[in-house]
Amino acid sequence: NAGVMQNPRHLVRRRGQEARLRCSPMKGHSHVYWYRQLPEEGLKFMVYLQKENIIDESGMPKERFSAEFPKEGPSILRIQQVVRGDSAAYFCASSLGRGQGPRGELFFGEGSRLTVL
Amino acid sequence: AQSVTQLDSQVPVFEEAPVELRCNYSSSVSVYLFWYVQYPNQGLQLLLKYLSGSTLVKGINGFEAEFNKSQTSFHLRKPSVHISDTAEYFCAVSGSYIPTFGRGTSLIVHP
Repeated sequence: NAGVMQNPRHLVRRRGQEARLRCSPMKGHSHVYWYRQLPEEGLKFMVYLQKENIIDESGMPKERFSAEFPKEGPSILRIQQVVRGDSAAYFCASSLGRGQGPRGELFFGEGSRLTVL
Repeated sequence: AQSVTQLDSQVPVFEEAPVELRCNYSSSVSVYLFWYVQYPNQGLQLLLKYLSGSTLVKGINGFEAEFNKSQTSFHLRKPSVHISDTAEYFCAVSGSYIPTFGRGTSLIVHP
């Protein structure tokens, strides 16, 4: 499968635990975006990364959330000490990212659905 | 700064009827515009995009959209919908390197 791969598809955590969401971009794509989707709120931008660099994290909460995209391996969105309000679907998208940004489309994974008990 | 407004949260329609999903945007720079569709428990798939050129853009599954710069709109249309078109539709604008999405419009097609 050459598409964007996200895992796990579903993740259940208790309050205070850590959640790690992984995203492998499409082959040849070096730009990764993370979005969070809450019911009736659409997709909210969280962070934009290139290999080994965070380009823009203006949508990330200041505490407990972090993201990385190492030289080798998938991009990871990490949420420490989860709270019930973190329950959402988290989507990863990748692009070729020519020039200043994605003049073409974003390719989305199927999402990781986090439930915090 | 850029933003997207999808004016309708839900659009119910009968099968084989025409439909229009509305999208307005604001941006301080030239924009690229997109419509995506999301089926239940899946990711988003691109329906169509406007990058430049003709203002009428045709996409997959019989959808089309028209870019209207003066009205800053990019409405999505289909002349005859099917039950299988029931899904969430998102309009997106990309003037900077971060695409901004609208809240989505739920299209509900009734038999």
